[in-house]
Formats: sequence, structure tokens, C-alpha cells
Amino acid sequence: AQSVTQLGSHVSVSEGALVLLRCNYSSSVPPYLFWYVQYPNQGLQLLLKYTSAATLVKGINGFEAEFKKSETSFHLTKPSAHMSDAAEYFCAVTGSFQKLVFGTGTRLLVSP
Amino acid sequence: GAVVSQHPSRVICKSGTSVKIECRSLDFQATTMFWYRQFPKQSLMLMATSNEGSKATYEQGVEKDKFLINHASLTLSTLTVTSAHPEDSSFYICSARKRIHPGAGLSNTGELFFGEGSRLTVL
Repeated sequence: AQSVTQLGSHVSVSEGALVLLRCNYSSSVPPYLFWYVQYPNQGLQLLLKYTSAATLVKGINGFEAEFKKSETSFHLTKPSAHMSDAAEYFCAVTGSFQKLVFGTGTRLLVSP
Repeated sequence: GAVVSQHPSRVICKSGTSVKIECRSLDFQATTMFWYRQFPKQSLMLMATSNEGSKATYEQGVEKDKFLINHASLTLSTLTVTSAHPEDSSFYICSARKRIHPGAGLSNTGELFFGEGSRLTVL
């Protein structure tokens, strides 16, 4: 079975500041991990994914995440926040590409 | 790219009526489609997994007679909310997995592509 925990339902940063959204996973098999972004009343857009290749994964819009097996973490970062980054972010895990299990989401707020 | 389209994006209906939501993969074949439900400010909860040509597999607690899922072709899955009630009001999102072709190699890592979602409001 797989699960993910996203620490912090809300994260507030200033424009230009570092963005750090936390995700810890639990999986009985080698995991595949994903970060998705959701804008209001829209579906999900894939930011990046870890599929057992490089542990540092670069995604769209300047986001990246590092898979750390020893810490069972897959935190999402971006060096400099933009106003347009304000959205809901979901971490997800699957062991077999069958079912994606989502975290509870973290709302990123960016202030001028 | 891989585009998944949902229709309608918004629907308002009266209590007791049935509502059908379509999920189409526009530029790829999808052997598996997933239906999720999202309550306000909450995560996505998987409702059911739909495989082309076979019956859907429902998650525990999801009424299969209430939420009818049909995956008639490799590009279309439908979710019908039967006899809708106000508590069925929610945001429904589908996702689709590309059909795996032999020799696809690293080009297919099982990524899911999501539709834009359909907001159902039952009065």
C-alpha cells in the first residue's frame, strides 16, 4: 500500500522567495512519485515525476524535486516564487502505475 | 501532447435527475481511465478504475449503482450520476493512461493525463 503526507495545508511566501512544499511517502514497493498543480476549477497538470531514474527531477515552470529514499521524501522546490505560482499542489505516489494515491494538497500563497 | 477533455465542465441539475459526464482522450488511446471526486479544498479521492471493454472496478464505499461508469472505447469513458442528490455535488475529474505500445521504452512511464474536471451542482 502507498500513501503520501503533505505537511502544511497552506504555505505563504513572498514573490522572489524560495518555495518549499513538503511531501513524505510510504510505500511497500519502489515508488513512483509525482507532483501536480491545480488552479481553481481546473484539472491537474503534471509538474514533474520520479520514475527511478535521476533522484533530482526537474519539471516545468522552474520547479524541481529530489527523491530521498533515506528520508522517504520528495519535496518540491522553486528558487524564486512568481505570483502565477499561487495554486494548489498535490503530491502523489503509485507502486505500479495502476492507482495514484494523492496527498491532501498544499495551497501556495504568493504575496507581492 | 496528450489531451484529455471532459464535458460538460459545469452542470447544474435538479435533485432526482441523472447526469452524464464524458471523458475523452483526444490524441491517444487510453486503456485505463480513472474517475476521481474532489470535495472543496480537499484532495482527490479515487472512485473507480475503468478499463476498456470491461466492468469498472470501484473503490470501497463507492456505490456502483449510483455512479455508473462505461468505457466503451479506447478514447471515451463516461460517468453517470444516477438520481443525483445535493450531496453528490462535487468536482469530478477523470484521468487516462496511454495505451502501452511494444517498444515504447522510456517514452511511456505510465503517466496519467487529467481532464479539466466537471463541477456538478445538484439543487
